[in-house]
Amino acid sequence: QKEVEQNSGPLSVPEGAIASLNCTYSDRVSQSFFWYRQYSGKSPELIMSIYSNGDKEDGRFTAQLNKASQYVSLLIRDSQPSDSATYLCAVNLILTGGGNKLTFGTGTQLKVEL
Amino acid sequence: DGGITQSPKYLFRKEGQNVTLSCEQNLNHDAMYWYRQDPGQGLRLIYYSQIVNDFQKGDIAEGYSVSREKKESFPLTVTSAQKNPTAFYLCASSIEGLTGNTIYFGEGSWLTVV
Repeated sequence: QKEVEQNSGPLSVPEGAIASLNCTYSDRVSQSFFWYRQYSGKSPELIMSIYSNGDKEDGRFTAQLNKASQYVSLLIRDSQPSDSATYLCAVNLILTGGGNKLTFGTGTQLKVEL
Repeated sequence: DGGITQSPKYLFRKEGQNVTLSCEQNLNHDAMYWYRQDPGQGLRLIYYSQIVNDFQKGDIAEGYSVSREKKESFPLTVTSAQKNPTAFYLCASSIEGLTGNTIYFGEGSWLTVV
């Protein structure tokens, strides 16, 4: 089982709709969770971080975390063509003895259609 | 402006050559990382360093070497032992927080073997 799993997509949504991106992780003691956006040929850009169960909103983006289900999601409201990109889920684990390990999923490609 | 600078952006390597990718950050971050990304795949950790003069192997360190002589700099050498080096290389840095590290990326370097 992969440590961080995402559906590769593509996920197609019409402009103005809500895009829902999902991510599951295998390590129950993971402590922090991140969503990155990556345009084709570019480096990942941090969108959201979330550490506690529940929802965290930032503009059109909402991250949702459910540690019991080992599930984190990203909702994008009022999707725009400029949101078309690959979205990477990353899970951070603080290691016993110090240090961190950030593991990335393979990403979900989102296409917002006019 | 604060940020992470990678150079060169594009690099071509002949078979049997070693090449070095530069990474400099002026964010005063303690930790620095090198990731590799292949088309359609997630990010894989090559090496990371949490402090000057110390670094650890990541998941795919074979054929690579690094140094961390200064806090601001973390160069990556791709040696001739790396049999399939064509990829997108991402340098990143982070500052440690209570819940783990938030990682920020440079713009990336494209390496192609010719």
